[in-house]
Amino acid sequence: QQQVKQSPQSLIVQKGGISIINCAYENTAFDYFPWYQQFPGKGPALLIAIRPDVSEKKEGRFTISFNKSAKQFSLHIMDSQPGDSATYFCAARNNYGQNFVFGPGTRLSVLP
Amino acid sequence: DVKVTQSSRYLVKRTGEKVFLECVQDMDHENMFWYRQDPGLGLRLIYFSYDVKMKEKGDIPEGYSVSREKKERFSLILESASTNQTSMYLCASSAYSTEAFFGQGTRLTVV
Repeated sequence: QQQVKQSPQSLIVQKGGISIINCAYENTAFDYFPWYQQFPGKGPALLIAIRPDVSEKKEGRFTISFNKSAKQFSLHIMDSQPGDSATYFCAARNNYGQNFVFGPGTRLSVLP
Repeated sequence: DVKVTQSSRYLVKRTGEKVFLECVQDMDHENMFWYRQDPGLGLRLIYFSYDVKMKEKGDIPEGYSVSREKKERFSLILESASTNQTSMYLCASSAYSTEAFFGQGTRLTVV
């Protein structure tokens, strides 16, 4: 129940295209859903996050869509750029603990 | 800016050695975490701490211990390093109910 599933494992997108990464969870106690971006040789950095009381959050080219009833959330990267090439992790935190559970990651490559 | 600093970027240790990985955060965060990152497995929680001298086991605590004597410092200890502990180790910190901030990682190789 503590798992967060993430797909696809890898994704190749042309410059200007839309990148979509999907995550799903089982634990209804999760109350905070961040997305992290990691470049090679660096630690993950927070990209965007959402709480389950909203269905969508947009920051620039990055949008999280959240479906509470389906227990699914996704990251959309509009107008994908080569500089977006990185590994993306979805995560979830429960409302009684303080630790985060991470998905296995998606390696995104944006072709110029 | 929040800064989480891990003492080493790269470490090479011999099997059986005792290994210390140090992490310091400068934002007075209550929570600190140690994760292990392996290809295809994502980030797996080893231990976390929500207060000084407090610790909780994560998903993969076997072969590891931790120490948190001061609020800003969280140490990961490999009591007797083994080759299957070769990995990237990530430290993170967070305030209550906020996102986690990560250090740059320590790539440990056990030979």
